[in-house]
Amino acid sequence: SQTIHQWPATLVQPVGSPLSLECTVEGTSNPNLYWYRQAAGRGLQLLFYSVGIGQISSEVPQNLSASRPQDRQFILSSKKLLLSDSGFYLCAWDRGGTDTQYFGPGTRLTVL
Amino acid sequence: EDQVTQSPEALRLQEGESSSLNCSYTVSGLRGLFWYRQDPGKGPEFLFTLYSAGEEKEKERLKATLTKKESFLHITAPKPEDSATYLCAVTSGGYQKVTFGIGTKLQVIP
Repeated sequence: SQTIHQWPATLVQPVGSPLSLECTVEGTSNPNLYWYRQAAGRGLQLLFYSVGIGQISSEVPQNLSASRPQDRQFILSSKKLLLSDSGFYLCAWDRGGTDTQYFGPGTRLTVL
Repeated sequence: EDQVTQSPEALRLQEGESSSLNCSYTVSGLRGLFWYRQDPGKGPEFLFTLYSAGEEKEKERLKATLTKKESFLHITAPKPEDSATYLCAVTSGGYQKVTFGIGTKLQVIP
């Protein structure tokens, strides 16, 4: 069976500090990978998606970036966090060719 | 641009009181409609995928139905453990992009 991991689970960072969130998927190969942000009272916002190693598409221009150094690893980064970056970050995967996405447990980021 | 509207925003039910959650959507060619359950502080948990009008799927006390304009999630004789936020989402075209609604927060009272 497939499993998706995210870490850390919670993170409190000062404004202007860097960020690195990691997501890994087990039990499948060549997954599509996604980063979403969920803010209170708002739907999930797609930030980045990747269909393969080194292939990243950005949905929303902002100070975040994503990388996919390995087939089942997806990283969300920032050089300098803003207050508005606070939120619940979710990683998801699908098998490509099917549409059902499966989500990880999420990372709660608070920028102070 | 795809749009998803869920209603009501919040719903409070007595244990055993059946009801339905609504998901209205606007897409240019529906490929799939998804229902997820999300508990506080956790990632969404997949429930159902529906692909065409008239399709129905069931899981325990939950039943999802689909028409050309909306989907319903019927909850029969709910229990307190069914309390969660239920998210609806759609995908269309040839692009791996899923549009989510804000969700319906369900509370089932013993």
